[in-house]
Amino acid sequence: GENVEQHPSTLSVQEGDSAVIKCTYSDSASNYFPWYKQELGKRPQLIIDIRSNVGEKKDQRIAVTLNKTAKHFSLHITETQPEDSAVYFCAASINGNKLVFGAGTILRVKS
Amino acid sequence: DAGITQSPRHKVTETGTPVTLRCHQTENHRYMYWYRQDPGHGLRLIHYSYGVKDTDKGEVSDGYSVSRSKTEDFLLTLESATSSQTSVYFCAISATGTTYEQYFGPGTRLTVT
Repeated sequence: GENVEQHPSTLSVQEGDSAVIKCTYSDSASNYFPWYKQELGKRPQLIIDIRSNVGEKKDQRIAVTLNKTAKHFSLHITETQPEDSAVYFCAASINGNKLVFGAGTILRVKS
Repeated sequence: DAGITQSPRHKVTETGTPVTLRCHQTENHRYMYWYRQDPGHGLRLIHYSYGVKDTDKGEVSDGYSVSRSKTEDFLLTLESATSSQTSVYFCAISATGTTYEQYFGPGTRLTVT
């Protein structure tokens, strides 16, 4: 079955700097890759996603890139702000069902 | 937030007792999912439903059963709770087989003593 590895497990950045979180997946049939943000005690919130027919997608300060050949995808956050501090999860699936999540990255943005 | 509620939001129960968690949605979405979240493991899929009375297993289904008799409700049952089932349980929904995006409910914190 699918296996998703996520790095780093914790990431500290200065406010205004960029943050990058990377994930690798094992099943070449996976075609959907969402990213979730979870604040303490809250539900995971979908922040951006990408499908395998696209190499990059942007939404304001957030972007996701996908390398199907290497089977990895990354989340990029530019101009980080204190409210970006949270746990971020990547996931992979075939056609949206049976999401397999990475273990999460704790992002701390220091002001 | 999508119209998803979970009940109860918190529960403490004893080992060996049955427990049922409820997920209710007002979005009329076809797909519903149950995940558990544990430190160091992210979220793991327990079971999911792709329609009324249509369910399938996820990666950690042992010890759990589900039922969906109405579009809006998806029940997760622990037949005989164990301490290893202490976790936070999240329900999620998605609209159709081609929409893909999943939206999560507020979660239920279950403690098995």
